[in-house]
Amino acid sequence: GESVGLHLPTLSVQEGDNSIINCAYSNSASDYFIWYKQESGKGPQFIIDIRSNMDKRQGQRVTVLLNKTVKHLSLQIAATQPGDSAVYFCAESYTGGFKTIFGAGTRLFVKA
Amino acid sequence: EAQVTQNPRYLITVTGKKLTVTCSQNMNHEYMSWYRQDPGLGLRQIYYSMNVEVTDKGDVPEGYKVSRKEKRNFPLILESPSPNQTSLYFCASSLIQGDEQFFGPGTRLTVL
Repeated sequence: GESVGLHLPTLSVQEGDNSIINCAYSNSASDYFIWYKQESGKGPQFIIDIRSNMDKRQGQRVTVLLNKTVKHLSLQIAATQPGDSAVYFCAESYTGGFKTIFGAGTRLFVKA
Repeated sequence: EAQVTQNPRYLITVTGKKLTVTCSQNMNHEYMSWYRQDPGLGLRQIYYSMNVEVTDKGDVPEGYKVSRKEKRNFPLILESPSPNQTSLYFCASSLIQGDEQFFGPGTRLTVL
């Protein structure tokens, strides 16, 4: 069936280090992927997206990597800051589909 | 300011007492959706709407109703709430299905 999952439910990193959050997806028809950040008491917010015709996309301090061969998605955060502490969700959808499927989320703790 | 608003933000009610959670967006988005978020389960879609007067069930529609009479509003109705509907609810909208979604601030519902 369709599913989006995460390898690690929690991740703790030192301030200034790089963070990598992973996600596996099972629907090979998915062609659009998004990472969302959810801070405590708020709704999820868009961070970065990538389409299936790309394998890497960079934003400000964030990079998303897509490996379609193994159906794997990752979010890399450079020089992690205390403000990056949040829950991160990956999500997948496909052209012509009606739903976006979200993973369970990974909680990122940044230690000062 | 482009945003999705939800009301109320917090609600405590009793079993069987009908309630409505309102959702409104000012971005002229076609696609709107309701999610519930429960610990360890991530975001699960309740209902979605592709456009005015077009709604369909998501993954967990039991016990909920929606309507889309106007493009900007997408209320969530619980005709007879039960304790298992205690959850954090998010409304979201996007320009079209599959695009980046903008989330509201959430409504925390407790059903006693």
